[in-house]
Amino acid sequence: DSGVTQTPKHLITATGQRVTLRCSPRSGDLSVYWYQQSLDQGLQFLIQYYNGEERAKGNILERFSAQQFPDLHSELNLSSLELGDSALYFCASSVEPLKGEQYFGPGTRLTVT
Amino acid sequence: LAKTTQPISMDSYEGQEVNITCSHNNIATNDYITWYQQFPSQGPRFIIQGYKTKVTNEVASLFIPADRKSSTLSLPRVSLSDTAVYYCLVVRANNNAGNMLTFGGGTRLMVKP
Repeated sequence: DSGVTQTPKHLITATGQRVTLRCSPRSGDLSVYWYQQSLDQGLQFLIQYYNGEERAKGNILERFSAQQFPDLHSELNLSSLELGDSALYFCASSVEPLKGEQYFGPGTRLTVT
Repeated sequence: LAKTTQPISMDSYEGQEVNITCSHNNIATNDYITWYQQFPSQGPRFIIQGYKTKVTNEVASLFIPADRKSSTLSLPRVSLSDTAVYYCLVVRANNNAGNMLTFGGGTRLMVKP
C-alpha cells in the first residue's frame, strides 16, 4: 500500500459525458501527479500540482483539467469523453523537491462506451 | 531529459539473479537513474535510485559505471512474484519545471518455475 488513494476504482460512462477522478496523496506529500496508461501508449504524464499550484504540464488534452485543493487532494476532470479516453488513470504523490521517487495510487479504470 | 533504451523482454527462472541493463547515453550531470516496477493493472512502484557507483536496498542493487551512460538493475534470486515490467528512468533533480517522469517501454520480465 503506497498511501495514495484514488476513487472510484472503476468508472463506465458514455461518449460525450464528463467524469471526475479523485486522488488523496500520502500524508505530508505536497506534490500530486496525474498519468494516463492506455494499452497501446504506455504511461503518459498529464499534469503536476505542487501545494495547490500547477507545476508542469505534459500531454494533457484541452478537454481535461485538474486542480489541487487546500487539503492537498486533487481531482482530474475529463469532459466530452471519447472512446480513446478509455484507460487507467494513475495519481502519484511525492515530497518536493525530489529526485524521482513517486508513490503511485491503485488507479482508476475508465471505460468509455 | 536523457532517452533510455532497455530490452523489451527477458526470461529467467526462480532462484536466479536477473540483471537488466539500461542505456542512457545523453545523461546530464544533474540526472539521477531511477527504476520502477509495475504489475498488471497496478501503479508503478519505486524500486531504487542512484547517481553513481553502486546502490543497494532490501530488494535490488543498482550498478552505475563511471561514465554513467548505462546502468544495471540487479534482482537477486528472483521468484515468480517478480514477474513484472521494469522501467528505467532518468530524472533531473530539483527541476523547477516539475519532476514529471517519462516512462519508456520498459522490460517485461518473465520468471518461470
